[in-house]
Amino acid sequence: NAGVTQTPKFQVLKTGQSMTLQCAQDMNHNSMYWYRQDPGMGLRLIYYSASEGTTDKGEVPNGYNVSRLNKREFSLRLESAAPSQTSVYFCASSEGPYNEKLFFGSGTQLSVL
Amino acid sequence: GQQVMQIPQYQHVQEGEDFTTYCNSSTTLSNIQWYKQRPGGHPVFLIQLVKSGEVKKQKRLTFQFGEAKKNSSLHITATQTTDVGTYFCAEHSGGYQKVTFGTGTKLQVIP
Repeated sequence: NAGVTQTPKFQVLKTGQSMTLQCAQDMNHNSMYWYRQDPGMGLRLIYYSASEGTTDKGEVPNGYNVSRLNKREFSLRLESAAPSQTSVYFCASSEGPYNEKLFFGSGTQLSVL
Repeated sequence: GQQVMQIPQYQHVQEGEDFTTYCNSSTTLSNIQWYKQRPGGHPVFLIQLVKSGEVKKQKRLTFQFGEAKKNSSLHITATQTTDVGTYFCAEHSGGYQKVTFGTGTKLQVIP
């Protein structure tokens, strides 16, 4: 039972490049989330998906797009990476609705040069 | 910006001392969750509080939810080096399935 799996673990991009962060969960959870973590800022919600087929903006959605491909998978895309997007990205899932204990992946450390 | 503020941002304690972190909101919270993140790791769920005035204990950890449901605290008795990490509170926004985190308190325990 792997829980929440994120790929890649590390990535270095040049400004303007695009990439997709992948996330998959094997717990049959309904809700999935993408957060970014910056020093002193805590965890900030980028996008979330309350259920398969729905996505909603969080606190900091600008510069990102998401796809809830199916119940298991929730991807985060940076179309044109900027240095301000250098961060650690965490995917999480929860059983939902009304049971929002989050299970996190191990994170992706992204550097944009 | 974030609705939930945490204090202090950093805390250094001598091993064996107690530690408390506080979570404050300007609005009434539906519930409050607490997570721990070890250095280099990912956040791990500790507990959820739902009821006004609720108090829950996990060994040396005591969690409280304020009577007005606008604040919460996590108290660790007799800290150990294994308690090192960042502690986050988080709010679940009712029926929207959105979980918003506080800024976190980074705890360092000096042996």
